[in-house]
Amino acid sequence: DIQMTQSPSSLSASVGDRVTITCRASQSISSYLNWYQQKPGKAPKLLIYAASTLQRGVPARFSGSGSGTDFTLTISSLQPEDYGTYYCQQSDSISYTFGQGTKLEIK
Amino acid sequence: QVQLQESGPGLVKPSETLSLNCTVSGGSISRTSYYWGWIRQPPGKGLEWIGSIYYTGSTYDNPSLKSRVTISVDTSKDQFSLNLRSVTAADTAVYYCVRHLAAGGTFEYWGQGTLVTVSS
Repeated sequence: DIQMTQSPSSLSASVGDRVTITCRASQSISSYLNWYQQKPGKAPKLLIYAASTLQRGVPARFSGSGSGTDFTLTISSLQPEDYGTYYCQQSDSISYTFGQGTKLEIK
Repeated sequence: QVQLQESGPGLVKPSETLSLNCTVSGGSISRTSYYWGWIRQPPGKGLEWIGSIYYTGSTYDNPSLKSRVTISVDTSKDQFSLNLRSVTAADTAVYYCVRHLAAGGTFEYWGQGTLVTVSS
């Protein structure tokens, strides 16, 4: 299986901050990388697919970049509703795997 | 707008079989280009893909579950199902049904999830 490692595991930031979450794959996955946001008690929501394509309806302050093994999710100006846990997920290998998650708190 | 809804028992005894259904609305399960799958999340932990099925019945699943998984589809009801055999407490989780493109595992639509507890 391809292992996905996210950092940091948690972070706390203020409204208006620029926030970056990284995800590393144990082997090259080209651009087959997706990002999800999960709020407590809710199902995950797809934010970005194919490493950098914004899912329709997702605010433009979210962006993704990277290819190969290293990827980044950036929130350009943090909003109060952006709290939750963020997961990366590889879709290169059909044994799909997720990162362990990054919990984002708003100060 | 596609909607998915899980249903099934919330409590299963150890060594028995966990069975869940997912009903799809807002679009036929027989649409080409989409797979239908299951993902689970133990309480307080991360996400694990279980397996997926195409409307033709073609399936693939996570090898880590050691062949305990059967996924089936009933196109007449726009439903697909999960059976997980020989469950233990480690199988306690919220189970989500999902839709993804046949061309890749991008999980675009999710059900709300259902908690299944394995306990005697």
